[in-house]
Amino acid sequence: QKEVEQNSGPLSVPEGAIASLNCTYSDRGSQSFFWYRQYSGKSPELIMSIYSNGDKEDGRFTAQLNKASQYVSLLIRDSQPSDSATYLCAADVPMGNQFYFGTGTSLTVIP
Amino acid sequence: ETGVTQTPRHLVMGMTNKKSLKCEQHLGHNAMYWYKQSAKKPLELMFVYNFKEQTENNSVPSRFSPECPNSSHLFLHLHTLQPEDSALYLCASSQGTEGEETQYFGPGTRLLVL
Repeated sequence: QKEVEQNSGPLSVPEGAIASLNCTYSDRGSQSFFWYRQYSGKSPELIMSIYSNGDKEDGRFTAQLNKASQYVSLLIRDSQPSDSATYLCAADVPMGNQFYFGTGTSLTVIP
Repeated sequence: ETGVTQTPRHLVMGMTNKKSLKCEQHLGHNAMYWYKQSAKKPLELMFVYNFKEQTENNSVPSRFSPECPNSSHLFLHLHTLQPEDSALYLCASSQGTEGEETQYFGPGTRLLVL
C-alpha cells in the first residue's frame, strides 16, 4: 500500500466549476499535509498546507482534512484554464523531515 | 521565485562525462533535498541533508554523489550516468524542524543523458 494515494486522473472540469481533488494517506502519525501544483515541465509549487481537522480556505482554494478517515482534499472554486496542472498531495513522515508524496492528479479545466 | 535556485537549468551529457548540479537556498533553511522526477512517474526522494549531515540515502546508485558544504548549498555530482537517468532533478529545502516541514522547490535541472 502506498503511503499517499491519489487518483491519477485525468480530471476534467469546465471553466467556472468546482474541481475536487482527493488524497488518502496510510500513516496515522502524519500530522502535516500539503498540496503542490506542478505545471508541465516545471517544479512543484506549494498551494496549501493544513494541519488541523476541518477546512482551510485561501482564495479560490479550500483544503479539507479528516484525520479519522485519513483523507485530505483540495477544492478549487471557479476553476480557470490556468489551474490546469498536476496536483501533488504530500504528508509528513513522522519523526523525520521528509514527505510522502502521492503520484499526482492531472487536472484539465476546459474553457 | 521560491528562494531556491538551481543551475544549470538544462544539461546534456554523455555517459562518460562528469558534471555537477548546484542548488542554493536563500531561505535560512537547515534541510535540503534532492529528488528525481522521471516522465509520468512520481517524485523519488534521493538524498536528504539536515544541518549539513546526510540523513537519507534512498538506495541511490553510486554514480550520483551528493555534497553539502553548508546549509545553503547542495551539489549533486554525476559520473558515468545511464540514459535512464535522464529526468528532472529537483532540489528542495525546508526549515528541518518539527512543525516546519514545508518544502520549497527550486526550478529543477532537466538532464538528458545520451
